[in-house]
Amino acid sequence: EAQVTQNPRYLITVTGKKLTVTCSQNMNHEYMSWYRQDPGLGLRQIYYSMNVEVTDKGDVPEGYKVSRKEKRNFPLILESPSPNQTSLYFCASSSTWDRVGEKLFFGSGTQLSVL
Amino acid sequence: AQSVTQLDSQVPVFEEAPVELRCNYSSSVSVYLFWYVQYPNQGLQLLLKYLSGSTLVKGINGFEAEFNKSQTSFHLRKPSVHISDTAEYFCAVSRGGATNKLIFGTGTLLAVQP
Repeated sequence: EAQVTQNPRYLITVTGKKLTVTCSQNMNHEYMSWYRQDPGLGLRQIYYSMNVEVTDKGDVPEGYKVSRKEKRNFPLILESPSPNQTSLYFCASSSTWDRVGEKLFFGSGTQLSVL
Repeated sequence: AQSVTQLDSQVPVFEEAPVELRCNYSSSVSVYLFWYVQYPNQGLQLLLKYLSGSTLVKGINGFEAEFNKSQTSFHLRKPSVHISDTAEYFCAVSRGGATNKLIFGTGTLLAVQP
C-alpha cells in the first residue's frame, strides 16, 4: 500500500531535549516536506526536499533541522525543543515538485507536546 | 504574494442539507487552487484541484468547486452532506504551480449533525 509513515504518533518531551520525528514514504517520490498545523493558522511549511541531499527552508524553519540522505526518508530534528514548538506535525510527499498540480500524500501526523 | 482566506472557521450543517465552504484567494499571477480534506486523526487528502480549463471542478465524495476569477473565489460545495463528511477542509494555492510553494488556508471545520 502506498503510504507516508510518520513516527511517533504522539510525543511528550521537555524543553531542550533533542528529538527526531521520522518520516518514510514507499512511493519513490522525489519531493518531501514537513508542515506544522496550529489552530487558527492552518498548515505552515517548515522545510522541504526536492531530492536526495537537496533541502530548503519553508516559511517557519527556525528551531528545526532536516536531512535527506535516502530518497525514502526525511526526518525532522528538533535540537532544543521549546514550548512554542508544541504542534501537530505532518510529513508529505509527491512524485515531483515542479509539475503543476502534483498531488501531495500526507502522513497521519505527529502530535508533539513540549513541556 | 499569494494567499488564501477561509472566512469560516466552522460550518455546522444538518445531514442531507447542502453546504458551501468559502475560499478566496489573492494572486497577481496564474493560480492553481486545491481543496484538501482532513478526517479526524488522519492526514490530509486531495479532494479536487483547479489548474485550467472548465471553471467547475468535480472531486471525490460528491464535492465540487467553482473557480471564479472576477470574485477571486474557489468555493467548495456539496448538494447533500453525510455524517461521514465531518472533517476539516483546507483550501490551498500554489505559487507558480510548484508543489513546494503550496500555501494553505486556515481551514474550515464542517460539522454534520444528524
